[in-house]
Amino acid sequence: EAGVVQSPRYKIIEKKQPVAFWCNPISGHNTLYWYRQNLGQGPELLIRYENEEAVDDSQLPKDRFSAERLKGVDSTLKIQPAELGDSAVYLCASSLDRGSPLHFGNGTRLTVT
Amino acid sequence: AQSVTQPDIHITVSEGASLELRCNYSYGATPYLFWYVQSPGQGLQLLLKYFSGDTLVQGIKGFEAEFKRSQSSFNLRKPSVHWSDAAEYFCAVGSWDTPLVFGKGTRLSVIA
Repeated sequence: EAGVVQSPRYKIIEKKQPVAFWCNPISGHNTLYWYRQNLGQGPELLIRYENEEAVDDSQLPKDRFSAERLKGVDSTLKIQPAELGDSAVYLCASSLDRGSPLHFGNGTRLTVT
Repeated sequence: AQSVTQPDIHITVSEGASLELRCNYSYGATPYLFWYVQSPGQGLQLLLKYFSGDTLVQGIKGFEAEFKRSQSSFNLRKPSVHWSDAAEYFCAVGSWDTPLVFGKGTRLSVIA
């Protein structure tokens, strides 16, 4: 089966600019996650979707971050405007359902200058 | 709130030697426990998982882990390390209705 696909792999932007990340989960996986991984740290959850509904977004900085999962398949994560502290790897993961093991994409490495 | 502690930031072992990576968790109920491995520039790959039943679980690449409820631990082991095992290892805890919380990771270096 094809894995979780993320794009772009790398993104360099200046602060205050907008940026968007895209994720295509494994076919048939109902649950989709966005994690942020800072350098030398473990991934931290930003938002979790069950189909097209965001069921856990308590860690998403809603003043500048937004996410959507149209039709319960692909998802986009947006930051506007970006800040220097947003530099990190943004990981998308999917699972068959809640409680099932997560399958991760290769991530998008964001650098904000 | 659930949490995971990986006490060792960096471990170096010789190729062929045995390995044990420590993981302690805090969780109010019976947890789901996972070990993931991350190579540079890559996403996380699942090594093994514990949901219930036998407390010694086998994973891919010759890894195993043992769930010890009394010690709130889920340590990862491998009897003989290969140079290709050099990577970052993450322990994670969750449940059916709570998303995974990850530890900060242990970086494994393998020397000849």
